[in-house]
Amino acid sequence: DAGVTQSPTHLIKTRGQQVTLRCSPKSGHDTVSWYQQALGQGPQFIFQYYEEEERQRGNFPDRFSGHQFPNYSSELNVNALLLGDSALYLCASSLDLAGGPTDTQYFGPGTRLTVL
Amino acid sequence: QQQVKQSPQSLIVQKGGISIINCAYENTAFDYFPWYQQFPGKGPALLIAIRPDVSEKKEGRFTISFNKSAKQFSLHIMDSQPGDSATYFCAASTRWTGANNLFFGTGTRLTVIP
Repeated sequence: DAGVTQSPTHLIKTRGQQVTLRCSPKSGHDTVSWYQQALGQGPQFIFQYYEEEERQRGNFPDRFSGHQFPNYSSELNVNALLLGDSALYLCASSLDLAGGPTDTQYFGPGTRLTVL
Repeated sequence: QQQVKQSPQSLIVQKGGISIINCAYENTAFDYFPWYQQFPGKGPALLIAIRPDVSEKKEGRFTISFNKSAKQFSLHIMDSQPGDSATYFCAASTRWTGANNLFFGTGTRLTVIP
């Protein structure tokens, strides 16, 4: 049973560039959430995708955008990169049932983004 | 504004001792409280979780104690082992928003000395 996978593992970009990160959810899961984890901090919620639409968004600027594909995989795009965007970007997946999203979220290993 | 406050920031415990990490929250709509364990360079892994309808949950050496009236919950690691050395995060979520996004604490770095 494959867990949550993310690519790439590491990425180095310069200020002003754009980046795309990818996530495949755990087998059987249909909901994908993205989190940003700055060094020494807890993860911060960016947004959640379900049925190919953004269902919930945290306090992040519009430079952060996403997409979910019919196979439930997802991309996180960040435009006009700033030095402060350097962080570990985590993808988490969960399952929606008839009553709404289930509680348990499983995290991938993350993508370490460094902005120079 | 930090919705979940966690303490201590770091903790050093002798092998075989008890590790205790505390968290507090304000939002009474929170109805799910998980703890995650994270090793360097890895993503957070779910350790144990609790709902506010119970005051305690135990899984192996890990126990969550929950105090709804005080809006506090804690993780107890019994018989702490060097392999438990990691960063621990408490978190909370609510289904009222229609999503299950997690609000995390700032983390506790646990070091277990052999």
